[in-house]
Amino acid sequence: DTGVSQDPRHKITKRGQNVTFRCDPISEHNRLYWYRQTLGQGPEFLTYFQNEAQLEKSRLLSDRFSAERPKGSFSTLEIQRTEQGDSAMYLCASSLGALRGRGDTQYFGPGTRLTVL
Amino acid sequence: AQKITQTQPGMFVQEKEAVTLDCTYDTSDQSYGLFWYKQPSSGEMIFLIYQGSYDEQNATEGRYSLNFQKARKSANLVISASQLGDSAMYFCAMREEAAGNKLTFGGGTRVLVKP
Repeated sequence: DTGVSQDPRHKITKRGQNVTFRCDPISEHNRLYWYRQTLGQGPEFLTYFQNEAQLEKSRLLSDRFSAERPKGSFSTLEIQRTEQGDSAMYLCASSLGALRGRGDTQYFGPGTRLTVL
Repeated sequence: AQKITQTQPGMFVQEKEAVTLDCTYDTSDQSYGLFWYKQPSSGEMIFLIYQGSYDEQNATEGRYSLNFQKARKSANLVISASQLGDSAMYFCAMREEAAGNKLTFGGGTRVLVKP
């Protein structure tokens, strides 16, 4: 049973460029989440999908950010016209979607560390 | 008000001793869940333990136990018999049923285990 995977692990880009990250959830999980973590802080929620439907978006997700999960499997997070303030770790998590037991525990990937120069 | 408060920015603990990490939370929801995650320097968030608001027993998972005091709105993590590999950041998080499925995290506590 493989865990959540994310690609790339590290991305360095220049301000104004577009970047795209990919997340592959645990295979039987139908919920997928994106979080952002800046240095010294806890992760902050960005958005979440139930299958292919994007059900919730944080106000942190400005119009430069877009996320998709086209077939209810992997997801992509795109940031357009990157700014230095976008530098952070972008974490993806997935969960089974069952509320019983462990409260629909979210399992995280290794993250993508973005540096905007 | 902060939803999740972790008041200890950093702690030292001697190897083989127990350590308690504090977490207090703020919610008006009756149905919620509390989670603890470990984040080593590699960056991955590792799930440790879960406590549901309706659970009557404190959760335990191996060397991890959760001291859940509902009336005080606290959910402290106890790590017994600390190991060098326990050195990491530890985050408390909450999922409120009324707020959807997102987790709200505290600021974390850095634990350093001394040999």
